[in-house]
Amino acid sequence: RKEVEQDPGPFNVPEGATVAFNCTYSNSASQSFFWYRQDCRKEPKLLMSVYSSGNEDGRFTAQLNRASQYISLLIRDSKLSDSATYLCVVNPSREYGNKLVFGAGTILRVKS
Amino acid sequence: GAGVSQSPSNKVTEKGKDVELRCDPISGHTALYWYRQRLGQGLEFLIYFQGNSAPDKSGLPSDRFSAERTGESVSTLTIQRTQQEDSAVYLCASSLGGFGSYEQYFGPGTRLTVT
Repeated sequence: RKEVEQDPGPFNVPEGATVAFNCTYSNSASQSFFWYRQDCRKEPKLLMSVYSSGNEDGRFTAQLNRASQYISLLIRDSKLSDSATYLCVVNPSREYGNKLVFGAGTILRVKS
Repeated sequence: GAGVSQSPSNKVTEKGKDVELRCDPISGHTALYWYRQRLGQGLEFLIYFQGNSAPDKSGLPSDRFSAERTGESVSTLTIQRTQQEDSAVYLCASSLGGFGSYEQYFGPGTRLTVT
């Protein structure tokens, strides 16, 4: 089983739609969780951290369910510029220091 | 301030040759990481440096791969006797390091093509 699993998509949605991505992780001792965004042929960039209580940043909402080892990202009112690959990222445990494990990514295509 | 830089941006080499990839992290970042990303694939962890030491080399795919870091700054990733399956984008990232400082800032990558 992969450490971090994501639905690869692609998710094809119209502008203005709400879209949700899910991610599961295998190590129950995982400490920290993130969503990164990667544009085509570009490097990944941090989108947001994911906190146990859930957190929101504008149109983006991230949720964490430790019991189910599940992370989600919700994007409201999708924009064309949201088209990218969204990477679910986990820090497996303290013994790994700052090592991050990346999921393979979910592709989002927002169309006009 | 300056971000993570990598050189060269593109490298084409013949099978069997050695290549050296360079990463300059953000000044003051003690942690440095190397990843590999094959076309259409996710990021594959290679090695992690904390300062000049490498507590986690678990991702290096074979003994043809090695990396070093000097002066808590520049790092080089060396691939000896390159093979076609080594073709990928090699990404370097840095972070402030230490528990609780997890955001990683990525460089633009080196696109390696082995012919």
